[in-house]
Amino acid sequence: QVQLQESGPGLVKPSETLSLTCTVSGGSISNYYWSWIRQPPGKGLEWIGYIYNSGSTDYNPSLKSRLTISVDTSKNQFSLELSSVTAADTAVYYCARERILYSDSSGSQAHPFDIWGQGTLVTVSS
Amino acid sequence: DIQMTQSPSSLSASVGDRVTITCQASQSISSFLNWYQQKPGKAPKLLIYAASGLLSGVPSRFSGSGSGTHFTLTISSLQPEDFATYYCQQSFSTPRAFGQGTRLEIK
Repeated sequence: QVQLQESGPGLVKPSETLSLTCTVSGGSISNYYWSWIRQPPGKGLEWIGYIYNSGSTDYNPSLKSRLTISVDTSKNQFSLELSSVTAADTAVYYCARERILYSDSSGSQAHPFDIWGQGTLVTVSS
Repeated sequence: DIQMTQSPSSLSASVGDRVTITCQASQSISSFLNWYQQKPGKAPKLLIYAASGLLSGVPSRFSGSGSGTHFTLTISSLQPEDFATYYCQQSFSTPRAFGQGTRLEIK
């Protein structure tokens, strides 16, 4: 079964760049959208952005000016870079797969996040 | 951008109770609505997709309904393992957006 694993530094200094990688195992990175989602301590979930295996991306406008998401299909990995971080960027960062699913009962489709990594806490502090 | 609003923000209930959580979208999202369960220290888990589709392996006591802007998640008979935080999420357009969460606690 497909599994996701985030990796990267757990501590980043203010004004520096946060860099994380998500490794996809048990399946191919091709033909899916791959997202980054974060959750500040004690708060809700925020979608950061996604990438398709072709390299096309879509970012949350609230982060777009600081954000780069890239993919390395040869390594079955995708990565996040968030520049000029502040304490407000402290969060658990998750990678997740977005998949097209169709409801048997209604025939409707949706694109849920069906597989998630375990998450990694990144703290921004000097 | 589409905003998602859940109610209530928290809910106390007992084992065996029937509970309903509501999610409202700021504009029509057809049936592009998903529900997740999150337990402390864990990643969210997908329960319901396309408003009413039950993910394989999810107990049948979970059900979803709605379309357009108004959606509900119902748990027909609460079990001890159901006490968690629940999030709705729209996948109609980007930026993807989650509700603020509903914390379900034991009474």
